[in-house]
Amino acid sequence: EIVMTQSPATLSVSPGERATLSCRASQSVSSNLAWYQQKPGQAPRLLIYGASTRATGIPARFSGSGSGTEFTLTISSLQSEDFAVYYCQQYNNWYTFGQGTKLEIK
Amino acid sequence: QVQLQESGPGLVKPSQTLSLTCTVSGGSISSGSYYWSWIRQPAGKGLEWIGRIYTSGSTNYNPSLKSRVTISVDTSKNQFSLKLSSVTAADTAVYYCARAPLGIGDFDYWGQGTLVTVSS
Repeated sequence: EIVMTQSPATLSVSPGERATLSCRASQSVSSNLAWYQQKPGQAPRLLIYGASTRATGIPARFSGSGSGTEFTLTISSLQSEDFAVYYCQQYNNWYTFGQGTKLEIK
Repeated sequence: QVQLQESGPGLVKPSQTLSLTCTVSGGSISSGSYYWSWIRQPAGKGLEWIGRIYTSGSTNYNPSLKSRVTISVDTSKNQFSLKLSSVTAADTAVYYCARAPLGIGDFDYWGQGTLVTVSS
């Protein structure tokens, strides 16, 4: 099983600032990586697939990068609605998710 | 706009079988362009993929759950279903159904989720 490790567990950032979230795979997943946003009581929402392609309707302030085992999700200027939990997911070998990063208001 | 909706009992007794159905609307489950999956999330924890099915009925399961999971599809009703046997309290979670495009593997549409509690 490919283990996905996200860091940090919690990230405190002020609105308008940049947030950088990391995801590491225990073995290479090529670019077969997605990012999701989840708010309390809601299903996850797809943000990024293919490591760097924004899903339909996702604002340009969300960007993804990386390949192999190291990936980053960057939110360029945080809006109030961006504070949530973010998960990475690999689909190179079945599907596994990271444990999540909680993005909270500083 | 595709919509997925989970349904089924919210309370299951230990050792019994959990049964859920996902109804797809706004698109055909028989289109052949997607895999249909079940994913679960215990309270306050991360996401775990349970398994998937293709319109042909071909299935794949998470090895950690494979011995207890059965996923089936009913194309006439545009539904797919999950059965998880011999449940314990560790199976208490929000269960989601979701769609993944063939050849990509991300989950682009999700149901709202349904909480299933295992308790006597």
